[in-house]
Amino acid sequence: EVQLLESGGGLVQPGGSLRLSCAASGFAFSSYAMSWVRQAPGKGLEWVSAISGSGGSTYYADSVKGRFSISRDNSENTLYLQMNSLRAEDTAVYYCTKHVDGHPDDYWGQGTLVTVSS
Amino acid sequence: AIRMTQSPSSFSASTGDRVTITCRASQAISSYLAWYQQKPGKAPKLLIYAASTLQSGVPSRFSGSGSGTDFTLTISCLQSEDFATYYCQQYYSYPFTFGPGTKVDVK
Repeated sequence: EVQLLESGGGLVQPGGSLRLSCAASGFAFSSYAMSWVRQAPGKGLEWVSAISGSGGSTYYADSVKGRFSISRDNSENTLYLQMNSLRAEDTAVYYCTKHVDGHPDDYWGQGTLVTVSS
Repeated sequence: AIRMTQSPSSFSASTGDRVTITCRASQAISSYLAWYQQKPGKAPKLLIYAASTLQSGVPSRFSGSGSGTDFTLTISCLQSEDFATYYCQQYYSYPFTFGPGTKVDVK
């Protein structure tokens, strides 16, 4: 059974940093691209970042480019999102999700809440 | 970045209604479009990918069509469990982008 479990969310001050993790199981993790998607309270979905299966290619939304960094450890089946220079508008539930055959797959984590506030 | 729009932003419907939601891309995306359903407090659920391919386990009352810039999601006979917010997403090119969502609530 495919499982994705996010962790690392919490309360952080503006300008601070946080690293999210997504522990994956039930599939050949290194064979699949992965994405982070976020949802601010009461708002719509926003795609944040993606990474290829090997980790060699990374992609970012304009809103986080230069501040966030996606990475993965295929030996540990874990996806990461390093978030620096956090802003109030980064407050959201962050989900990790899996791709398959070049399209989104229907596997999502439960989400982890990041709150940026002083 | 490719901009996605949806219409309407919200509407009210009754069980048994035929419902159509429209999604438009700011440039051609071939058929690289997915549709999601989301209920409050839950992760999104993938309904359709490649514009018209039904995800495994999704009821056949859901269907998708379109290519290029204009797409539709149709629910042929709305059920009580279908009241939710629906999002389209293009995955033709990075950054992938979502539409703003369409909320379907009870009339």
